[in-house]
Amino acid sequence: GQQVMQIPQYQHVQEGEDFTTYCNSSTTLSNIQWYKQRPGGHPVFLIQLVKSGEVKKQKRLTFQFGEAKKNSSLHITATQTTDVGTYFCAGYFRTDSWGKLQFGAGTQVVVTP
Amino acid sequence: ETGVTQSPTHLIKTRGQQVTLRCSSQSGHNTVSWYQQALGQGPQFIFQYYREEENGRGNFPPRFSGLQFPNYSSELNVNALELDDSALYLCASSLVILAGEQETQYFGPGTRLLVL
Repeated sequence: GQQVMQIPQYQHVQEGEDFTTYCNSSTTLSNIQWYKQRPGGHPVFLIQLVKSGEVKKQKRLTFQFGEAKKNSSLHITATQTTDVGTYFCAGYFRTDSWGKLQFGAGTQVVVTP
Repeated sequence: ETGVTQSPTHLIKTRGQQVTLRCSSQSGHNTVSWYQQALGQGPQFIFQYYREEENGRGNFPPRFSGLQFPNYSSELNVNALELDDSALYLCASSLVILAGEQETQYFGPGTRLLVL
């Protein structure tokens, strides 16, 4: 079956530093989505990437979708304490008549002031 | 706030019991997806309801079932509860124009279920 793997599982970052989390799929994706979940909260949609090689930016966050549409990355620059949380990628696999969103295990980000 | 609501917020059940969780979708949305999120893991897709029919299912046994109503709200029912069913249950609503086309999903706050 389809699997979405995400690394690293944990990321400790000093405030002001940059970091990247990576997402890999076992099969080609229709699109990939990124979510952020704060401790005790629910996943909040960040962005969706659809096109091969697509790059999107949201302020300090840069999202990339691989050429083969099987991998993606999220890069955060100048980390702030507000970036604390777990970042999930979710690959959308489409069948003939419906699709399924498969989440990775997430990268838990801890920011040290 | 996404406009997606879930009830109850917390629930404690014992093994073997049955539970019903409820979800009200965001206004204008026609699709509801349900997810199970165990502690420290990513959400796992249970199933999706579109136009009041289940049109996709993850690797969950038949004791997980659901309904979608004409107003697009939804229920998740779990029979014969097991200890491993303890998790955060999330619903997400979206607007699907064409079946199989993924639109942005908006998650509700979830229901935390504890099975003793």
